[in-house]
Amino acid sequence: EAQVTQNPRYLITVTGKKLTVTCSQNMNHEYMSWYRQDPGLGLRQIYYSMNVEVTDKGDVPEGYKVSRKEKRNFPLILESPSPNQTSLYFCASSSYRGVGEQYFGPGTRLTVT
Amino acid sequence: AQSVTQPDIHITVSEGASLELRCNYSYGATPYLFWYVQSPGQGLQLLLKYFSGDTLVQGIKGFEAEFKRSQSSFNLRKPSVHWSDAAEYFCAVGFYSNSGYALNFGKGTSLLVT
Repeated sequence: EAQVTQNPRYLITVTGKKLTVTCSQNMNHEYMSWYRQDPGLGLRQIYYSMNVEVTDKGDVPEGYKVSRKEKRNFPLILESPSPNQTSLYFCASSSYRGVGEQYFGPGTRLTVT
Repeated sequence: AQSVTQPDIHITVSEGASLELRCNYSYGATPYLFWYVQSPGQGLQLLLKYFSGDTLVQGIKGFEAEFKRSQSSFNLRKPSVHWSDAAEYFCAVGFYSNSGYALNFGKGTSLLVT
């Protein structure tokens, strides 16, 4: 089954404790992206990757890092989480250059206290 | 700058009534246009998309959308709403920039079906 998986689905952590949210897709997609969803703000893009070793900032990259060492994986790293990063995070992937349907993961709800 | 506007934050319709959700975009050329739906506690599912060609596109679950270049709009419609359509709807615009491809979302319209 074609899918995007994220782990963990729920995470409660404390300020400053580094964390990684994993994202994996099994569709051989070149394009992957991370979004955060906040009430009243919709989805905002954090980072995206056009292919392996090619990443770029989205609209709200501050406080986040990503890497794309393999085509299927696109982890989101919070080196020093802060309460303003409490949000619902979605990973998405799509085929060549992102044009076409983006497949979304189920979401990761992160709470930073 | 590219932007997507969904003017209606909340919409309430009666079951069986028709529905239209508005979406306007600001972009220098014709972008790629999408509508996504998010049911409570779920991820996003693509309803339909427009790249080129026929300006009236059909999607899943009985939805359709019409691209109007002159109005920079891509409104979503459904002739008869079902209670299961209650969800959050997002319009999105895909475009190429100097640094690659990006997808901008509107802030969403929450649909309540009574």
